Amino acid sequence: DQQVKQNSPSLSVQEGRISILNCDYTNSMFDYFLWYKKYPAEGPTFLISISSIKDKNEDGRFTVFLNKSAKHLSLHIVPSQPGDSAVYFCAASPSNYQLIWGAGTKLIIKP
Amino acid sequence: KAGVTQTPRYLIKTRGQQVTLSCSPISGHRSVSWYQQTPGQGLQFLFEYFSETQRNKGNFPGRFSGRQFSNSRSEMNVSTLELGDSALYLCASRDSPRTGELFFGEGSRLTVL
Repeated sequence: DQQVKQNSPSLSVQEGRISILNCDYTNSMFDYFLWYKKYPAEGPTFLISISSIKDKNEDGRFTVFLNKSAKHLSLHIVPSQPGDSAVYFCAASPSNYQLIWGAGTKLIIKP
Repeated sequence: KAGVTQTPRYLIKTRGQQVTLSCSPISGHRSVSWYQQTPGQGLQFLFEYFSETQRNKGNFPGRFSGRQFSNSRSEMNVSTLELGDSALYLCASRDSPRTGELFFGEGSRLTVL
């Protein structure tokens, strides 16, 4: 039973345009959400997070939106750059702070 | 400050053997988690240790075990290896189990033949 789902295994976006990565969750006890980015042969690195008391968090080109009623969050990257090509993982945490991870979405930025 | 260090980076084993992987967390971090990554499965949580005690455990068979030492370094062991154990094993550290952000190592790539 996948509690955190990233339904798009891959996404291709033109450089300079907006990339939107989506993540759905099923457990209403999740109250903290994170996005990680992973390059090949490297460990994931933290990108941005949001707590359930907010519906938006912004950090430079990266914005995460949370829709609690739909149990959906999304990561927006504007403008997309070639260095953004990577696998993006969504993770959610219930109050015991164990992270539950999605399967990842591979983002390809085309020049 | 140095990041999370995992050794070995690559290893090849045969079915039935056992393997031990090592992880040194970021200095000052007392929580260490282990994950298995396979294509299409994302990151599967194995276990988390804090102050030498296992705090959380994922849904893996008993062949997968771990421990943490007093200096916060951690090891994980997989016994009686199966072909399906071939994966990237990632270690991550954080200040404590109550801090969300994890810092990952580069992983240990295990191939079971």
